[in-house]
Amino acid sequence: LAKTTQPISMDSYEGQEVNITCSHNNIATNDYITWYQQFPSQGPRFIIQGYKTKVTNEVASLFIPADRKSSTLSLPRVSLSDTAVYYCLVGDGPGNNRKLIWGLGTSLAVNP
Amino acid sequence: GAVVSQHPSRVICKSGTSVKIECRSLDFQATTMFWYRQFPKQSLMLMATSNEGSKATYEQGVEKDKFLINHASLTLSTLTVTSAHPEDSSFYICSASPSSSNTQYFGPGTRLTVL
Repeated sequence: LAKTTQPISMDSYEGQEVNITCSHNNIATNDYITWYQQFPSQGPRFIIQGYKTKVTNEVASLFIPADRKSSTLSLPRVSLSDTAVYYCLVGDGPGNNRKLIWGLGTSLAVNP
Repeated sequence: GAVVSQHPSRVICKSGTSVKIECRSLDFQATTMFWYRQFPKQSLMLMATSNEGSKATYEQGVEKDKFLINHASLTLSTLTVTSAHPEDSSFYICSASPSSSNTQYFGPGTRLTVL
């Protein structure tokens, strides 16, 4: 199972772009990279998922270099409501039997 | 789409009682669902993988006789905490994946408090 490493915490201000980088040196060929957001006392919310290069959706972008040993979640123009814990995960194989191992995540604090 | 619900959202019980938590995939079928536990300021810990029509697969250190999992249909999995004790107080979260997707979607969680 691929282990991930990400900063424990980050601080930012409203309106800034925030980039959170995650290392996953042992990622397997068939693993996808997925990022989740979690607010206190709520279940994690899916943000974005990718396999290689760049993926963009309405809330974030995900940058994955060619070697796939790291990935960067980019949040454009954060607001106070983006204060949450962000988790980077890689899967244990394809399909709906994937087992995800959760690290401590990155606690993002957005300040006014 | 891909909505997962949990019921109840919060439960308080006395020590020694059993508590059942339901996890439902509302708009998709899920052959596999996952059950997690999360203590304050800690990450999610996978407890077990729930497979429709077969026995659940438990992670090391998780007592299968204490945490009973039943996955009776493609949209419902239940976790029963038997003979609950105060140390079982935690936030329990389930997740499920549509068969056509690699993405896991999570329920809102259930806060269990055992007095």
